[in-house]
Amino acid sequence: EAGVAQSPRYKIIEKRQSVAFWCNPISGHATLYWYQQILGQGPKLLIQFQNNGVVDDSQLPKDRFSAERLKGVDSTLKIQPAKLEDSAVYLCASSLTTRDRGLDEQFFGPGTRLTVL
Amino acid sequence: RKEVEQDPGPFNVPEGATVAFNCTYSNSASQSFFWYRQDCRKEPKLLMSVYSSGNEDGRFTAQLNRASQYISLLIRDSKLSDSATYLCVVTGGSTLGRLYFGRGTQLTVWP
Repeated sequence: EAGVAQSPRYKIIEKRQSVAFWCNPISGHATLYWYQQILGQGPKLLIQFQNNGVVDDSQLPKDRFSAERLKGVDSTLKIQPAKLEDSAVYLCASSLTTRDRGLDEQFFGPGTRLTVL
Repeated sequence: RKEVEQDPGPFNVPEGATVAFNCTYSNSASQSFFWYRQDCRKEPKLLMSVYSSGNEDGRFTAQLNRASQYISLLIRDSKLSDSATYLCVVTGGSTLGRLYFGRGTQLTVWP
C-alpha cells in the first residue's frame, strides 16, 4: 500500500517569498494533518482536516499560513510571506480517525524540509 | 507549560544495555498515549501504544501512571538499530485524533 506522499522534499527560499507544499494521503484516510517540526523539537500540529473540513487550526499562524483540502483528498499548505523562523520540516500525516471509527494510527509522509534565508 | 515534557538526552549506551526514557504530560484528560520513533531525517513512526496496565512488545516495555501523569519506555538488550529519537505522544483537547508530541529523547547505541 502506498504511503503518504509529499512534495517537494526540499525547498530553499528567501524571506518574504511564498512557498507551497503538497500532500497526498493514504487512500481512504478521512483525516489529514499538517505538522511543523523545528530542529530539535517534536512535531507541532498546524491544522487538521476531516474530509474537506477543518476540525482544528488553532495553532496555524493565519496571517501567513493557509491550507486547503479540496475534494477531501490532496492538501496544500502555503506560507506567504515566509519568515526566517519558518525554517522547519513540514510533515503531512493521515489516518482513518473519525468520530464513528474512533482514534486510529497516524501515518506520516517523508516531509518537506524548508529553509528560509 | 508544555503539554509533554521529555528529557532530550542524548543517551549513549553500549549494545546489550537496558535504557529507560520518561516523560510527563500536563493534561489530566488525555486518554491515549504512544511512543513514536523517528530516525535521523526521517518521519516519525508509531513504535507502540501505552496502556494503563503496561504493555510489552519484544524488547520494549511501556508503562503509564495516570495518577502521576508519567509515561515510560524501557528498552532491553539494546541493538545498534535502536539508535533514533523516541517521541512521547499524548492525545488531548477537544479534537479527536489531535496528538501532542514531546521534543524527543535521542538514543545512540554504540558497538
